[in-house]
Amino acid sequence: EPEVTQTPSHQVTQMGQEVILRCVPISNHLYFYWYRQILGQKVEFLVSFYNNEISEKSEIFDDQFSVERPDGSNFTLKIRSTKLEDSAMYFCASSTGLAPEETQYFGPGTRLLVL
Amino acid sequence: AQSVTQLDSQVPVFEEAPVELRCNYSSSVSVYLFWYVQYPNQGLQLLLKYLSGSTLVKGINGFEAEFNKSQTSFHLRKPSVHISDTAEYFCAVSSPVDTGRRALTFGSGTRLQVQP
Repeated sequence: EPEVTQTPSHQVTQMGQEVILRCVPISNHLYFYWYRQILGQKVEFLVSFYNNEISEKSEIFDDQFSVERPDGSNFTLKIRSTKLEDSAMYFCASSTGLAPEETQYFGPGTRLLVL
Repeated sequence: AQSVTQLDSQVPVFEEAPVELRCNYSSSVSVYLFWYVQYPNQGLQLLLKYLSGSTLVKGINGFEAEFNKSQTSFHLRKPSVHISDTAEYFCAVSSPVDTGRRALTFGSGTRLQVQP
């Protein structure tokens, strides 16, 4: 069964450093998403991406964040200058985009720790 | 704006007992409803979803949920749980895709702990 994969599974970085989180969505999916879950808090939507542009973003997704689909398979989330409060589990998801059966399939997550 | 409330942060239950995990939502528009499960050290897996039609939906692993529009609830049930059901369960809502909004809004999760 096809699945969303994410790398790395864990990342430790120093405050102020840039990090890139990588995701490989399911191959025939057209919509891609990033969510995050700060420890002990809810899973929060960050951004959705379709047709090589952002289709929707939350207030969390500020200029510090960017997303890219650099090739036909990868989908990345870049955090330019990490802050302590960026420590969280980051989930990638993808969906076909075919209404109304809109189901998002999630990857296993990348746990980011900013020191 | 949408919001989801999961009333119980933890639910301990004995093996083979029934369980209900509660979820209430708030939205000014019609919604799609989902339950996801997260096993330890794994990602979010879809258990079941309600888009339209029958208010009772069946999912994987013997789970089912009932959409109650008047009570704005989507409670998850299983008649007999197994040790392997121990996990975190998340209720989520989204708007219909014709609104152009696809973001899922999650509840805070309920940790189901099945004891022998």
